[in-house]
Amino acid sequence: DVQVVEFGGGLVQPGGSLRLSCAVSGVTFSTYWMNWVRQAPGKGLEWVGNISPDGSGKYYVDSVKGRFTISRDNAKNSLYLQMRSLTAEDTAVYYCLPGRGYWGQGRLVTVSS
Amino acid sequence: QAVVTQEPSLTVSPGGTVTLTCGSSTGAVTSGHYPYWFQQKPGQAPRTLIYDTNNRHSWTPARFSGSLLGGKAALTLSGAQPEDEAEYYCLLSLTGEVVFGGGTRLAVL
Repeated sequence: DVQVVEFGGGLVQPGGSLRLSCAVSGVTFSTYWMNWVRQAPGKGLEWVGNISPDGSGKYYVDSVKGRFTISRDNAKNSLYLQMRSLTAEDTAVYYCLPGRGYWGQGRLVTVSS
Repeated sequence: QAVVTQEPSLTVSPGGTVTLTCGSSTGAVTSGHYPYWFQQKPGQAPRTLIYDTNNRHSWTPARFSGSLLGGKAALTLSGAQPEDEAEYYCLLSLTGEVVFGGGTRLAVL
């Protein structure tokens, strides 16, 4: 079975930084595009960004460009999201989403003073 | 950024058939946009029903099917069950970006 587990999250002050991690098992991780998706409270799903299988290609939604960085470690079957200059608008549950759409439970990030 | 549009809400009778659609502001949706369909129930994480236009996962009930219809991606539910009441999101891979639709709230009444 495919398992996707996100780690990290929590409460951070505006302007602060946070790093999320995601561990994937049950698939050949190194062959999958990997996405980060978020969902603000009571809102719809929003794609945050993705990274190519070898890590050479990265794309982001305009609202996080220059603040968020996606990376991966294929040897560890892991995906990362480094978030900086966080604002209240970044408050959301963050999901790691491999290609073909295997979901974990997500991690809540709350930006508040 | 492109806009992906879905019906805000739909209602289907138990046992009935309903089609949800997913359109793009950039033009006709094709298989090259690798359409996905997700189901989300209150308080739960989403789950993927359909990927790459028409591929089901092992957990996807056979009553759900994906297709392209009239320049849009489509999710057809045939034989609706009460447990199908949920929010449904589509996703399209466009040039340099991936975009979710705003979601369709499906009621089974």
